[in-house]
Amino acid sequence: AQKITQTQPGMFVQEKEAVTLDCTYDTSDQSYGLFWYKQPSSGEMIFLIYQGSYDEQNATEGRYSLNFQKARKSANLVISASQLGDSAMYFCAMREGKGYSSASKIIFGSGTRLSIRP
Amino acid sequence: DAGVTQSPTHLIKTRGQQVTLRCSPISGHKSVSWYQQVLGQGPQFIFQYYEKEERGRGNFPDRFSARQFPNYSSELNVNALLLGDSALYLCASSPTGGRNYGYTFGSGTRLTVV
Repeated sequence: AQKITQTQPGMFVQEKEAVTLDCTYDTSDQSYGLFWYKQPSSGEMIFLIYQGSYDEQNATEGRYSLNFQKARKSANLVISASQLGDSAMYFCAMREGKGYSSASKIIFGSGTRLSIRP
Repeated sequence: DAGVTQSPTHLIKTRGQQVTLRCSPISGHKSVSWYQQVLGQGPQFIFQYYEKEERGRGNFPDRFSARQFPNYSSELNVNALLLGDSALYLCASSPTGGRNYGYTFGSGTRLTVV
């Protein structure tokens, strides 16, 4: 069964430091997508970054980069130069679904609560 | 452009009652999905609708139902509410079935069952 594992329930990081949030996944599909979402206390899930299983280069979006190691089935999120506004829950997620006509649900990990210290 | 809008933002219901949650996707998005997020956990998939047809259903009882309208907005209905239904209900939309990319989420409806 497809599964996302986030082993860090909470992390504290000093402002301006880089931080890595861990994520491992399990799937038997050859084609899949991996996502990271940020969820502040307001509740909205904010899309951060996407990595396709066939993408050869690691995805980057501003201060966010995804360290994709396919053989190890890991997709860690790296946030450079952390800011106070980065304090939130972070979810790693994977898109299931094998075709355009099938359900393409996203399964989520249990999340990591990141707290940035001033 | 307006994002995904959900209503109401907060709701308090009594056990046994019924509730309807509403979602308007981003203009042009034809796929809507619903997720339940219990406090302290990641969201769990409930339903996906694409072009007004149900395309997927998660492991939820029949008390949960949904539909999608011709304008692609969607409603989630929950009957015979239980205390355990208290959660944040998130709606997400995508332009296709969501296969190639992720979804854009709304801010959610926070349901409290007392």
